[in-house]
Amino acid sequence: EIVLTQSPGTLSLSPGERATLSCRASQSVSSSSLAWYQQKPGQAPRFLIYGASSRATGIPDRFSGSGSGTDFTLTISRLEPEDFAVYYCQQYGSSLTFGGGTKVEIK
Amino acid sequence: QVQLQESGPGLVKPSQTLSLTCSVSGGSISSGTYYWSWIRQHPGKGLEWIGYIYYSGSTYYNPSLKSRVTISVDTSKNQFSLKLSSVTAADTAVYYCARVYSGLFQHWGQGTLVTVSS
Repeated sequence: EIVLTQSPGTLSLSPGERATLSCRASQSVSSSSLAWYQQKPGQAPRFLIYGASSRATGIPDRFSGSGSGTDFTLTISRLEPEDFAVYYCQQYGSSLTFGGGTKVEIK
Repeated sequence: QVQLQESGPGLVKPSQTLSLTCSVSGGSISSGTYYWSWIRQHPGKGLEWIGYIYYSGSTYYNPSLKSRVTISVDTSKNQFSLKLSSVTAADTAVYYCARVYSGLFQHWGQGTLVTVSS
């Protein structure tokens, strides 16, 4: 099973700042089969990024993904108030597993 | 736009079987394009994939839960279901159903909290 480790656990930032979230896999993720989701309190996760770097339909371009192999990054270029949430990475190259999440909170 | 809605008991006794149903609207389970999945989230914790099913009935389960999980589909009702046997307090979680495309959880239900307690 591929284990995904997300860091940091919590990121404290102000609106307008840049957020950089990391997702590291225990083994190489084939074909960059890495996705990102956003979850707000009391809500279901929302699909953001697939294929490590492609935005899902309707996702603003301030969200971008990058990486390959075992190291992946989600970047939010300028945080909007609605972006404060928990973010999960997920790999779908070998079965399906999720990372433990990174909480982006208001500083 | 597809919509998914979980339903089932919010309280289950230890050692019993948890049963949930996901009703799908705005799209047919039988279309053959998607898989249909269950995911859970323990209180304050991360996401755990439970398993998924194709309209034909083919299933794929998380190895860590495989011995206790059964997912089934009823195409006539456009629903799919989850059964988790021999539950304990560790199975207390919010359970989500979702539509899956190529391993991606594109659309989710709102989730339903299931508490295991006597």
